[in-house]
Formats: sequence, C-alpha cells, structure tokens
Amino acid sequence: QKEVEQDPGPLSVPEGAIVSLNCTYSNSAFQYFMWYRQYSRKGPELLMYTYSSGNKEDGRFTAQVDKSSKYISLFIRDSQPSDSATYLCAMSDLIKAAGNKLTFGGGTRVLVKP
Amino acid sequence: GAGVSQSPSNKVTEKGKDVELRCDPISGHTALYWYRQSLGQGLEFLIYFQGNSAPDKSGLPSDRFSAERTGGSVSTLTIQRTQQEDSAVYLCASSRGSYNEQFFGPGTRLTVL
Repeated sequence: QKEVEQDPGPLSVPEGAIVSLNCTYSNSAFQYFMWYRQYSRKGPELLMYTYSSGNKEDGRFTAQVDKSSKYISLFIRDSQPSDSATYLCAMSDLIKAAGNKLTFGGGTRVLVKP
Repeated sequence: GAGVSQSPSNKVTEKGKDVELRCDPISGHTALYWYRQSLGQGLEFLIYFQGNSAPDKSGLPSDRFSAERTGGSVSTLTIQRTQQEDSAVYLCASSRGSYNEQFFGPGTRLTVL
C-alpha cells in the first residue's frame, strides 16, 4: 500500500460547481501538506501549502488538513474550464538531513465542463 | 524572473545508451530536487541537493543513476546503460532553502526504445 492514496478520477463537474479532492496517508510524521496542479505535459505548480491541522483559504481554493484522521482535502469553488488538470497532493516530514523531500499521491484528473 | 528550466524537453534513446538530463534552477535557490514521474509509479523522489552536496540520494533506483550539481546551480542527472523501465518524465524542482516551497521545471520526457 502506498504512503499517500489519491483517487485517480477522472472527476467531471459542470462549470461553476465545487470541486472536492482528497488524499489519505499513513505516515503520521508528515507535517507539511501541499496541493499541486499539473497541466498536461507541464511541471506541477504549487497551489496551497499548509502546516499541521486546520484550514487555509486562498481565493477560490480551500485546503483542509485533519491529522487525526490522516486526511487532507482541497476544495475549488466556482470551478472554471481552465481548472481542468491533474491535482496532486504532496506531503513531507522535514527530517533535517532530507530537506523537504515530498511524497506525492498519484493525482486526480479533473474535468470542468462548460 | 525565469523559472526552473530543463533540457532537453524530450529525449529518445536506445536501450543501453547513456543519457544526461540538465536542470537550471531558479537563481539563488540553494536546494534542488530530482523527481521521476511514470504512469505506474506516480511522482517519486530521486535525490536532493543542498548547495553542491547531496545529503539524500535514497530515491535513486539503481547505481546506473547518478547526479551532480556544480557551482550551487546547474545539476545533471545521468542514467547509464538505459533500460526500457527508465522511460518516464524526469522533473527538477528548486527552492530558496531546504524547507521552502518547491518550484518545478517542465520536465524531460525520456523514452528508451
């Protein structure tokens, strides 16, 4: 079983709907949690970066972390066709010698239909 | 300013040949990471550089893989005697310090025939 699990999708929603994405993980040492967006044939682009449990909001994006359940979520409000991409969750435990080595979920493909 | 750049963008090689992949990090970023993204395995960590040193090489899959970084800037990932299972997208990321957010390059798509 992988350390970080993520439903591969595809998740298809109509324009304007809320997109709900999530990841579960098994390593309780993970402290930092990130969401990346990746368009086809491009590198991942950081969307949200959170530390420990709680919520963080940035524009149309809200990230939630529940360390007790080992569960993180990303919500995208008022989704647009341009949000169609693969969304990757990533996390790290910041062991000093290892820098900020990221462990990724497999990614969820999202399609926002006009 | 310029982002992380990688070259070549695509590389097709024959099994058994050596390949070199290059990463130019964002200027001033001291930390540099290599990852590999393949259909079956997702995005996996390969190696981490802080300056020119590599404190963590734990993700390199075999001794055919090596990497170096010079001048605290450019990094090269070398794969010797390539195998078909090496086919993947190789991504480089850099960050201002070891614990800052990572910015990814566009990747090098490697195909081994």
